[in-house]
Amino acid sequence: ETGVTQTPRHLVMGMTNKKSLKCEQHLGHNAMYWYKQSAKKPLELMFVYSLEERVENNSVPSRFSPECPNSSHLFLHLHTLQPEDSALYLCASSQDLAGGPGGEQFFGPGTRLTVL
Amino acid sequence: AQSVTQLGSHVSVSEGALVLLRCNYSSSVPPYLFWYVQYPNQGLQLLLKYTTGATLVKGINGFEAEFKKSETSFHLTKPSAHMSDAAEYFCAVSERNTDKLIFGTGTRLQVFP
Repeated sequence: ETGVTQTPRHLVMGMTNKKSLKCEQHLGHNAMYWYKQSAKKPLELMFVYSLEERVENNSVPSRFSPECPNSSHLFLHLHTLQPEDSALYLCASSQDLAGGPGGEQFFGPGTRLTVL
Repeated sequence: AQSVTQLGSHVSVSEGALVLLRCNYSSSVPPYLFWYVQYPNQGLQLLLKYTTGATLVKGINGFEAEFKKSETSFHLTKPSAHMSDAAEYFCAVSERNTDKLIFGTGTRLQVFP
């Protein structure tokens, strides 16, 4: 595998389910990100991890819970979601945080989440 | 707060025509600037970036962009559009020594035969 991979690619869940999204980067990067992409809205940054420590949490509801067990893996645990949480969830990684010269982000293909 | 404005949510061109996608940013210091492309059902792919040095930046697939500090712009161009260029394009900005990449709302490019 190369680049940034995400599983599953599609997920349908009920409002009472618990599920997890997985992201893995094979680039040796130090920072990882979760974004939410909804139709007709700008890309929303949810969480930022640098060297496995969370450095940013953009007022995301607690029904979204990130986990970064090591610098290559990032999870997004989901529970009691709402229909408005349906979106494309994108994972990204970068060598440095965004404000550094190596801050360009490499994105995975995303997980298309539908909450019924 | 830093912001990115992409003028025109939709741009349509004929195959072979010039592509011009506009991006303006607000920043008090020269930022890092990026253009990404997103094809249907895929993640974002980096087209090109400006960090320092030469203000005209060349990217993949024949695209280029010019950083103009006086105009706070970073417009994306391609001399001749191809059908495969049809996608959504995002301009993004990061301010030095911050940890955020700020994205524009995107421009959907349609290419007609």
